[in-house]
Amino acid sequence: DTGVSQDPRHKITKRGQNVTFRCDPISEHNRLYWYRQTLGQGPEFLTYFQNEAQLEKSRLLSDRFSAERPKGSFSTLEIQRTEQGDSAMYLCASSSTDLGQESSYNEQFFGPGTRLTVL
Amino acid sequence: AQRVTQPEKLLSVFKGAPVELKCNYSYSGSPELFWYVQYSRQRLQLLLRHISRESIKGFTADLNKGETSFHLKKPFAQEEDSAMYYCAGRGGGSYIPTFGRGTSLIVHP
Repeated sequence: DTGVSQDPRHKITKRGQNVTFRCDPISEHNRLYWYRQTLGQGPEFLTYFQNEAQLEKSRLLSDRFSAERPKGSFSTLEIQRTEQGDSAMYLCASSSTDLGQESSYNEQFFGPGTRLTVL
Repeated sequence: AQRVTQPEKLLSVFKGAPVELKCNYSYSGSPELFWYVQYSRQRLQLLLRHISRESIKGFTADLNKGETSFHLKKPFAQEEDSAMYYCAGRGGGSYIPTFGRGTSLIVHP
């Protein structure tokens, strides 16, 4: 396990097409996060999972965005009917939780990101 | 809204000079503050967090509740410190950190 991996690394698509990204977290991590990062900005939170449950979603996550983590391992982020404004780097991160410490913050390990360009 | 502000987009210094990357926050209660770093062609990674009170790669950051700041400091910059630095914070019952826009640090030889 060499860390969080994301696929693809780059995606170019035409406006209106659907795209799907995959994230494989560090194997023992039960939390998985999706972020979006645009030029000149820091990562912006989109959604997060604890095991297979999607526990929090940002208002940035419009109806065109959907994320899943069906078996509590890898996750997918789908964007339907892409728009030019969706062009960004999509980052995935994972972390573990301390037993009995649901509010704990353990270090997030980030993947390399998927760069989406919508033409 | 809870937020983290990094006022400088770019900080340029010479090797050996002191560095201070500014970060201000607006959280209620007792927030947790972090600094993340992204070196060229590498992933975003945690540099340090305020509760650890550590010095990592010569960097330190002190939480100043009176000034609501969490500035990152290093007394003598090295060329290998050149990177993007992001301040992040969480609080108000959320597990999720909010990131600042980042400061690009360039250390000239």
